[in-house]
Amino acid sequence: GESVGLHLPTLSVQEGDNSIINCAYSNSASDYFIWYKQESGKGPQFIIDIRSNMDKRQGQRVTVLLNKTVKHLSLQIAATQPGDSAVYFCAENTYGTSYGKLTFGQGTILTVHP
Amino acid sequence: GAGVSQTPSNKVTEKGKYVELRCDPISGHTALYWYRQSLGQGPEFLIYFQGTGAADDSGLPNDRFFAVRPEGSVSTLKIQRTERGDSAVYLCASSSTSGGSTDTQYFGPGTRLTVL
Repeated sequence: GESVGLHLPTLSVQEGDNSIINCAYSNSASDYFIWYKQESGKGPQFIIDIRSNMDKRQGQRVTVLLNKTVKHLSLQIAATQPGDSAVYFCAENTYGTSYGKLTFGQGTILTVHP
Repeated sequence: GAGVSQTPSNKVTEKGKYVELRCDPISGHTALYWYRQSLGQGPEFLIYFQGTGAADDSGLPNDRFFAVRPEGSVSTLKIQRTERGDSAVYLCASSSTSGGSTDTQYFGPGTRLTVL
């Protein structure tokens, strides 16, 4: 849902459920998108990426969907486990750069209950 | 192999003081990035190095912030005359030799800076 100030969107699920985390990105010209997972006290960890010429990409237990028409990105986690509990960020690469100048979204807190 | 390391893990300083934050990238990575993450927010780009040179420093908030990478490996982020608003987690990331737009960035654990 919407967030105000320091309150990140949250998603609470039961272990074994599927999770869907959403992200709206800002730049229609962005051509590369990444999902990162960040656990408390750690740096962001790469999960999966997708280029703008694709609308779906699958990894191990994760799927990223890209809808360029509405500038929306989602991360689906299958059979969510307690170890998946973290803050999840989407990031986009600024169009026109030849390096990884990433713009991160606000993040979503995922809590998985055993 | 070793990942990106950052020291110190925590730094508490007083307003007006000077601080240095260090980043050791993954061996062989020539692209190095600094980001700043405020509480409850995503990381924000500060500066990008390709080798020894700062190729893009457009994210540095003002001239109190400066970063160097003299030998193309270790980088130091320097903040002069610290202000309370500088309090944040400072993250460093490195990526493979080409530093291309789609090269995976590997992040360090960050340095938590608190300015009293």
